[in-house]
Amino acid sequence: AQTVTQSQPEMSVQEAETVTLSCTYDTSESDYYLFWYKQPPSRQMILVIRQEAYKQQNATENRFSVNFQKAAKSFSLKISDSQLGDAAMYFCAYRSQIYGQNFVFGPGTRLSVLP
Amino acid sequence: DAGVTQSPTHLIKTRGQQVTLRCSPKSGHDTVSWYQQALGQGPQFIFQYYEEEERQRGNFPDRFSGHQFPNYSSELNVNALLLGDSALYLCASSFVDRAEAFFGQGTRLTVV
Repeated sequence: AQTVTQSQPEMSVQEAETVTLSCTYDTSESDYYLFWYKQPPSRQMILVIRQEAYKQQNATENRFSVNFQKAAKSFSLKISDSQLGDAAMYFCAYRSQIYGQNFVFGPGTRLSVLP
Repeated sequence: DAGVTQSPTHLIKTRGQQVTLRCSPKSGHDTVSWYQQALGQGPQFIFQYYEEEERQRGNFPDRFSGHQFPNYSSELNVNALLLGDSALYLCASSFVDRAEAFFGQGTRLTVV
């Protein structure tokens, strides 16, 4: 079974600065997807960024980018130019490429953005 | 497009009672999954429905059951509620052959 670990329960960053959230995972599969989801106090999980394991190039979405190290099974999220609206719980998630598989989530990292 | 909608948003039940939670998927999505998120934890997979059948199930007891209707909407039923069932219940919808899923805002269930 796959597992996802987030070793930072809480992180804080100054507004406009850069922060990196860590995620490691364990799997015996070679093809899979990795995601970062954001959950603000409104509770709705919002997709931040997605990475396909077969792609060597790291995904980027505006101020959000990942550092995907497949051999090390590491998938960190970098948030640049942090904004107050970035404050939320961030969950790293794994999904097998096998047809219709479920998400496996990590325990989450609570990010605070300081003005 | 209304996205994924869940009802109700909040619910308080007494231990031993039964509860039904509802989910309408994003337009066109044919697969619905349910997750339980205890306070301060990541979501845990309960089960997934596709073509009105349960395709996968996580490590949850039979007290948790579900249904998917022809219009792809879904219900989650929990019988004989325990205090430990108190959690945020999230519904996620997707196309069966796509990686991404969209989540609803969840139903906060409190068992007293």
